[in-house]
Amino acid sequence: DIQMTQSPSSLSASVGDRVTITCRASQTIDIYLNWYQQKPGKSPNPKVLIYSGSSVNNGVPSRFSGSGSGTDFTLTISSLQPEDFATYYCQQTYRSPFTFGPGTKVDIK
Amino acid sequence: QLQESGPGLVKPSGTLSLTCVVSGGSIINSNWWTWVRQAPGTGLEWIGEIYHNGNTNYSPSLNSRVSISVDKSKNQFSLKLNSVTAADTAMYYCASRHGAKNAFDVWGQGTMVTVSS
Repeated sequence: DIQMTQSPSSLSASVGDRVTITCRASQTIDIYLNWYQQKPGKSPNPKVLIYSGSSVNNGVPSRFSGSGSGTDFTLTISSLQPEDFATYYCQQTYRSPFTFGPGTKVDIK
Repeated sequence: QLQESGPGLVKPSGTLSLTCVVSGGSIINSNWWTWVRQAPGTGLEWIGEIYHNGNTNYSPSLNSRVSISVDKSKNQFSLKLNSVTAADTAMYYCASRHGAKNAFDVWGQGTMVTVSS
């Protein structure tokens, strides 16, 4: 299986901050890396933000961006908004089983 | 849209059975239909997926206990997980892996399944 790691595991930030989360795969996954946002509450189902490493999904605000290829990837939120406090997961879809990273929780400083 | 249904409580050693109804489109397209679970306070775990022609992929860690099937006439797919233990207690989500984006772009709301006697 391809193992996914994320750093940091959690971070505290303020509204307006630039936030960067990194994800690393245990072997090359080309560009097949997706980023999901999950918020707690009534409808905690994850939402895909970025697919194929850097493609922003429909309806996702432009402050979200992704980069990377091979084994190292980043998710950047250019200016953190109140609705962005959530947990973020990376996932590889290069090869089954499609493994997720352990998550990065972003909370309010 | 996707909507999961099934028992919220399953006895240890029993079989967990869930169904996901696909609405607003046909299950016969280029997507793979997927199950993901999340134990309380933990991360996301991919269980497996099925294509409309019946081809499947399963997580090796669950492969001996899991089965995913598709019913094209009802536009739905189903998950069976046998010999369950407390470790299978989780929120179970169905999702679609978009054929072009290769990402899970539509998710159900999730259904909580507890394994307990």
